[in-house]
Order: sequence, then structure tokens, then C-alpha cells
Amino acid sequence: DQQVKQNSPSLSVQEGRISILNCDYTNSMFDYFLWYKKYPAEGPTFLISISSIKDKNEDGRFTVFLNKSAKHLSLHIVPSQPGDSAVYFCAASGANTGGFKTIFGAGTRLFVKA
Amino acid sequence: DTGVSQDPRHKITKRGQNVTFRCDPISEHNRLYWYRQTLGQGPEFLTYFQNEAQLEKSRLLSDRFSAERPKGSFSTLEIQRTEQGDSAMYLCASSLYPWGQHGNTIYFGEGSWLTVV
Repeated sequence: DQQVKQNSPSLSVQEGRISILNCDYTNSMFDYFLWYKKYPAEGPTFLISISSIKDKNEDGRFTVFLNKSAKHLSLHIVPSQPGDSAVYFCAASGANTGGFKTIFGAGTRLFVKA
Repeated sequence: DTGVSQDPRHKITKRGQNVTFRCDPISEHNRLYWYRQTLGQGPEFLTYFQNEAQLEKSRLLSDRFSAERPKGSFSTLEIQRTEQGDSAMYLCASSLYPWGQHGNTIYFGEGSWLTVV
């Protein structure tokens, strides 16, 4: 039962353009959402998060949008840089995940072409 | 460096041997999590501690797996009688509960790669 879904395994974007990574979730009790970035052979690095009381959170080049009615969130990276090439994981937590454990999607591999 | 640290980073072992991984969380964090990640998948929850108490274990954690956090600081994850299917990256993460302004954000270590041959 995949509660957090990233349906695009990979995404390729030209340097300087916008990267949009999407994520869907099924559990309406999730109230906190996160994005992590992962390079090969390293642990995931926290990127940005959003609480369910907001619909947008911005941090530099990274913006996360939350659409609760659609159970959908997205990560926008503008402008994209070659160093952004990595796997991006969407994650969610909430009161009914048992101790608020964080549940992850399968990831989207982003390629930013120079 | 005050991040989450894991040791060893890489371990190659023969099937049937026991292995142990260690995790040192961020010092002020009272929650510690273990996850497992295989190729093409996101991190899968295994277990978590609040201080020294193990509060939840996933069904993924078979009886060959045991985790401890004896003094509420570092944690160990032991896998007994390893099988080839145990080959994965084992990730440790920590967080501070109750949540502050950063919500339930967990911070990962670099991971420990296990290869069972």
C-alpha cells in the first residue's frame, strides 16, 4: 500500500529552466510534507518542507506547493543547475502513521543538462 | 560536525554471518529511526526509538534483526544470519520531539551499505 507516490521515475531538464517534481499521497491524515535530495552512495539530505496549514513554502530556488484537495504536492526548482542532478524523494508524516513516522515515495531522478 | 554519523559506511559479508551497524544521532535529538533503502525504492521504515524506548517496529524487521539504543544516545542495528536479500543501504535518522518550528523533520546519516555475498 503505497501512501506516497512519485509516478515519474525520471525527469530531464535543461540548465536554467524550471524543474517540476510531482508527488501524490493517499492518506488525508498526513499533515507534514518534505522533500529530500539524494546523491549516489549518500544519505538523503533534507531540502524543504511544508505544513498542511500552508499551500506554499519557498526557500531560495526551491518552492513546494501543496494542494490538499487533490492530495498533491510539487517541488519547483528555478533555475535548475547541473548540481541539482540527483534523486528527489517526497515524504509525508502525520498523526496516524504511528508515532509520526515519515513515509517516503520511490523517488524521481532529475537530470539537469548543461 | 554535529550531523548523524553511521559506521561502517560499507560492509561486505558472507551469507550467514552477523553484522552490526552503529548510528550516532544529532546530539540533542531524542528520536532515532532506522530505514532501509534498495535500488529504485525510497527509504523504508524499520524501527524507531524515543530516548531508549523502542516504540515501533515494522513488519519488515524480521526476527533476525534487532536494534538497541541502550542509553538513549547511539543505536546499533544487528542482522543475524545474513541473507542475500538483506543487501541494501541501512539509513539512520534522528529528530527532536516534540517538534519545533521545523515540524517532524528527520535528518539522515550517510548510510551503511551492506552487501551479502
